[in-house]
Formats: sequence, structure tokens, C-alpha cells
Amino acid sequence: AIQMTQSPSSLSASVGDRVTITCRASQDIRNDLGWYQQKPGKAPKLLIYAAISLESGVPSRFSGSGSGTDFTLTISSLQPEDFATYYCLQDYNYPRTFGQGTKVEIK
Amino acid sequence: EVQLVESGGGLVQPGGSLRLSCAASGFSLSIYWMTWVRQTPGKGLEWVANIKEDGSEKYYVDSVKGRFTISRDNAKNSLYLQMNRLRVEDSAVYYCARVVLIPYYYGSSRYHADYSDYWGQGTLVTVSS
Repeated sequence: AIQMTQSPSSLSASVGDRVTITCRASQDIRNDLGWYQQKPGKAPKLLIYAAISLESGVPSRFSGSGSGTDFTLTISSLQPEDFATYYCLQDYNYPRTFGQGTKVEIK
Repeated sequence: EVQLVESGGGLVQPGGSLRLSCAASGFSLSIYWMTWVRQTPGKGLEWVANIKEDGSEKYYVDSVKGRFTISRDNAKNSLYLQMNRLRVEDSAVYYCARVVLIPYYYGSSRYHADYSDYWGQGTLVTVSS
């Protein structure tokens, strides 16, 4: 199975900060990667698909980059509603695998 | 409005069985792959299974192969997860989600990415004696 290594596992940031989360795949997965946001007690929400495509309705402060093995989710200016846990998910092959998550907390 | 509503979770003893259901509304299930994802309380997400639009292809995480069966009834717009020989480590919130396939170009070649755009609220399964 493809291993998805996400970092950091948690971070503290302030409103307005630029935040970067990375995900590294154990093998080349082309652009087959999505990013999801999850808030406590809620289902995950899709932010980015195919590594770089912004899901409809998602604020433009979210962006995805990378291809192959190294991927990044960037929040250009952190807003109060962005404090949550973020996961990457590879859809290159089966079994699908998630990163372990990055919890974004208020500094 | 697209909605997915899971049901069927509960408390079961190790070795027991449960059948989860996911009722879809606001779209036709028959034209989408579907997926089950679970989350152990306080832990991360784990993909469990996918099923093709017509049920002809099914994929599972190794830890549930031979014990869980994903299925669908497109006429009832419903997705299912039959869970047998349950273990304590299967305790989790189980989510169903719709899967969208989208083509993209990587270099000069065309591929398909997939992603889950709508999710249910989850149903809790607790396996304990």
C-alpha cells in the first residue's frame, strides 16, 4: 500500500497567517491526491482534488500544489473557521490511503 | 439537495455482525462510484471500501477483506456495508460518500482522478463485550 506521510502532525497559527501542510507519497502518484478538512464531530469536507483543483464553493485562500510524490496544501490567510484537521488522500490505486492528519490550532 | 444518511450502527459483541445502510437523495446513485470511510474516535481517517456504479467492481482495505462486503441497490438509491466477524478494532464512525471521477492530463496522457464530494454524517459502530 502507498504510504502517505503528512507533516506537521499539528501546528499553531494566528488568524491571517500563511499555513502550509505537506504530504509525501511513498511512490509516484501523478496528481491523484485530494485534500479534506474535518471539524470535530463533522464529516470530512473536500477542498482540493487532482492535487491542484479547487472544489466549487471552497474559498480561494486554499490552494494545492505538487505532483509525483510531494504535495502541499496552502492556506494563504488563515481565518477563524479554518481551525480544523486536514487530511490528504491518494486515489492513485487501491487501497486508498490517507495521511495521518494535520491539526491546525489557534496560537 | 444531495444528501447521504447512514444508519445501522450500534453496539455489537466481538464476532458479531452489523449491516450499515446509506440512503442517498437528491441524485441518482446509479451513476456514481461510492465509498465507505471510517474513523476511530479521536484518530484519523481510514478508507474501507469502494464500489463501482453497477456493483461490478469492489475494493477493500486489507484489514476487512473476507469480513466486510460493500453492495448497492440502485433501484432503492442505497449503499450498504455488511460487516461480519467484527473485531474491537472495527469500532469507529463509518461514513459513506459519493465518488466523482474527473479526467485530467498529466504530461500528454489522460488519467482520471476521483474524489468524494458529498459525505453522510456518519454512524457509530462499537464492538465490545
